[in-house]
Amino acid sequence: EADIYQTPRYLVIGTGKKITLECSQTMGHDKMYWYQQDPGMELHLIHYSYGVNSTEKGDLSSESTVSRIRTEHFPLTLESARPSHTSQYLCASSEQPGVGSEAFFGQGTRLTVV
Amino acid sequence: AQTVTQSQPEMSVQEAETVTLSCTYDTSESDYYLFWYKQPPSRQMILVIRQEAYKQQNATENRFSVNFQKAAKSFSLKISDSQLGDAAMYFCAYAGNTGTASKLTFGTGTRLQVTL
Repeated sequence: EADIYQTPRYLVIGTGKKITLECSQTMGHDKMYWYQQDPGMELHLIHYSYGVNSTEKGDLSSESTVSRIRTEHFPLTLESARPSHTSQYLCASSEQPGVGSEAFFGQGTRLTVV
Repeated sequence: AQTVTQSQPEMSVQEAETVTLSCTYDTSESDYYLFWYKQPPSRQMILVIRQEAYKQQNATENRFSVNFQKAAKSFSLKISDSQLGDAAMYFCAYAGNTGTASKLTFGTGTRLQVTL
């Protein structure tokens, strides 16, 4: 069982609201990732972190922001939610994928902005 | 930049039969890993199998095996004796051995249906 958790699992929120999606892992992994995925579709990397106080933007431009103050915690924030942000957001963590380390994924947060 | 291509958006296989999912990638690096991940409906993504670029022997995990062709930059997944539980999205992924800068690059996925 992967020790990576996302909350909430489902969120329906009105346009203009500020939201934070939580992601926590207990494996001590330095690398953490946020992916955006429409149901049954490809994964788009939107943010990643190599460790505490390190964050980078991913391949897909996103209006969200992230922070990495603690190794185990990698929250994603949307300052003003819009219907175009409706999607599934997946969090993942790993050691060094370049040497074969497995990435562990959370169960995802399904966000709907109305 | 590295790219991963999965040219089969959907595949179907009958139970107990064998199916092969295709993946090609583009990289200028010589040292890297390739992965296949499985995402069952409404469930967490999990690792199926991984392959180190320097290993010539194809990786095998029970009913899952890969055909790794480094020169052709091809990395296909073969599922033998398919089971209903194999129905899922399958993602091919690449990670270059660039130390702390390494990260996963995923393909667009292949949806596998398993029929009776």
